Amino acid sequence: DIQMTQSPSTLSASVGDRVTITCRASQSINNWLAWYQQKPGKAPKLLIYKASSLESGVPSRFSGSGSGTEFNFTISSLQPDDFATYYCQQYNSYSWTFGQGTKVEIK
Amino acid sequence: EVQLLESGGGLEQPGGSLRLSCAASGFTFSSNVMNWVRQAPGKGLEWVSGISGSGVSTYYADSVKGRFTISRDNSKNTLYLQMNSLRAEDTAVYYCARAAIIKGVFDHWGQGTLVTVSS
Repeated sequence: DIQMTQSPSTLSASVGDRVTITCRASQSINNWLAWYQQKPGKAPKLLIYKASSLESGVPSRFSGSGSGTEFNFTISSLQPDDFATYYCQQYNSYSWTFGQGTKVEIK
Repeated sequence: EVQLLESGGGLEQPGGSLRLSCAASGFTFSSNVMNWVRQAPGKGLEWVSGISGSGVSTYYADSVKGRFTISRDNSKNTLYLQMNSLRAEDTAVYYCARAAIIKGVFDHWGQGTLVTVSS
């Protein structure tokens, strides 16, 4: 099974900051990598798919990059609504694995 | 508008069984792979199981293989998860999630249903 290692587990930042989260796969997943946002008590929301494609309706301050085994997720200018937990997810041959999550907290 | 509505959660004893349902609307249900994803209290997301649009192919995480069975009724636009031999570690919110065609990732989620396994 493919394992996903996400870092950091917690990130403290201020409104307006640029923040980056990293996700590493235990083997190459090409670009089959997604990023989700989850707020407390809510279902996750898809933000990025195929490593760098922005889901419809998602603000352009969110972006993704990478391929193979290393991927990054960036919020260019953190907004108050962005304080949440973010998860990466790989998709490979009808098996999906999530990273452990990164909680973005107010500094 | 795509809607997914889970039901069937509750309190069950270790070794017991529960069946979850997910009623879908707003899209052609038989066109999409459907999935169950769970989240233990205070923990991260774990994919549990998936099923092809026709229902012929099923996929499971190792943690539930042999205990859980996923199925679907395309005439009723409903997804199911039969959970047997429940363990305390199965306690979680269970989400139904649609896999987007071609993208392969989960573009729509239900609100979740809580399963608690405890004596």
